[in-house]
Parts: sequence; structure tokens; C-alpha cells
Amino acid sequence: SAVISQKPSRDICQRGTSLTIQCQVDSQVTMMFWYRQQPGQSLTLIATANQGSEATYESGFVIDKFPISRPNLTFSTLTVSNMSPEDSSIYLCSAQDPGDTEAFFGQGTRLTVV
Amino acid sequence: DAKTTQPPSMDCAEGRAANLPCNHSTISGNEYVYWYRQIHSQGPQYIIHGLKNNETNEMASLIITEDRKSSTLILPHATLRDTAVYYCIVRVANNFNKFYFGSGTKLNVKP
Repeated sequence: SAVISQKPSRDICQRGTSLTIQCQVDSQVTMMFWYRQQPGQSLTLIATANQGSEATYESGFVIDKFPISRPNLTFSTLTVSNMSPEDSSIYLCSAQDPGDTEAFFGQGTRLTVV
Repeated sequence: DAKTTQPPSMDCAEGRAANLPCNHSTISGNEYVYWYRQIHSQGPQYIIHGLKNNETNEMASLIITEDRKSSTLILPHATLRDTAVYYCIVRVANNFNKFYFGSGTKLNVKP
């Protein structure tokens, strides 16, 4: 199983600024994903972080707002740009390999925008 | 893209079995049923998955109906630490298919 570490674990940010969240996996994985969990809600998939190419975004999410990097098979970043209070959520990183039947999740980054 | 229906909440007495239902009437022949749980302020944790046979591991049992249109997750002896949101997800296993989470069931285990 993969162990996923996210940084920061929480942050309070001013509106209009940007925050970059890091996700580190302890082993090489093929697939990495980013989710958003708004207060009291379920997880919503933001995008697939593709190694060596642009991320693939789900409907309702755009690269200008949530740029993603995936420089190698163990690391990815998600940036939340030009933040507003509506971006206050928990952001979670996930990883899986096609040989794995399950996905593994980080502990999340709790973001509050004031 | 969630294709499952779960009750929003359930209560269970500590030490008793917790039976969490899930409807997935549009499940395809190659889709598995997965269960994850999310304890407050933590990332989702894998519990169990199955295709059509009943499955059991150290955490839980999964009972899938013969027509595969519904399933039940059973925690045989619920403890207070099992209080969490439980998510039932259907997806094709062993490929690049993503996990789409539905609304889940909040299980409250009470002393």
C-alpha cells in the first residue's frame, strides 16, 4: 500500500491569493488524483494529475483556477488560485496503480479563505 | 457520476452489528462494489470490495445480492471508533477508472 503525505495540513489564506498544496507518495504510482471536499459534503474529483503531460480536469474545474503539476511518479502539486471564501474546503490527494484494486488517500489539506 | 444510493445516516449500538445498505441498480457486469469510510478530519480509508461473491476481511463483510443491484456492508461488532461516513462506490477494477464518491452514510455508533 502507498503512504501519501500532504503539505500543508491546514492553512488560512487571504482572498485573492494562491496556495500550492504538495502531495508526496512513498512509492512510484501511475495515477494521482486531486479531490475537493466542501464543508459537510462528499468528495468531488477535481482532476487527474498526469506525469509528463497536462492534467485532465473534471467538468466544472479549470486549469486556470486549479493548476496541477506532476513532475515525476511520486509527487504532485495542486494550486488553488485567486482564492475566495467559496474555496474553503479540504483538498485531498489520491494515488493508485492499475495493478492495485484500491486507491490510497492523503490526510487532506484544510483550507480556510478569509 | 456516482451510481449508488445510500441512506444519509444510521445509528448502531456499540458491540452490535452495523448493516449499511447500498443500492446500485445500474451496475455493469464488470463493475465492482467498493466501500470506503472517512473518519472525521481524515482521508478516506479502504474497507473492502467485491464483484458478485460475498467477501470478508478483518474489517468487514460485504454481501452482494444475486442480481448485484444492491449490497450490504456489515461491521460485525461496531465500536465507537467505527463512527464515520461510509461510501459505497461502483467502478471497474484494475484499470485507470477513477473513484467517484456519492453522498455516503453517516454511521453513528452509540455507547
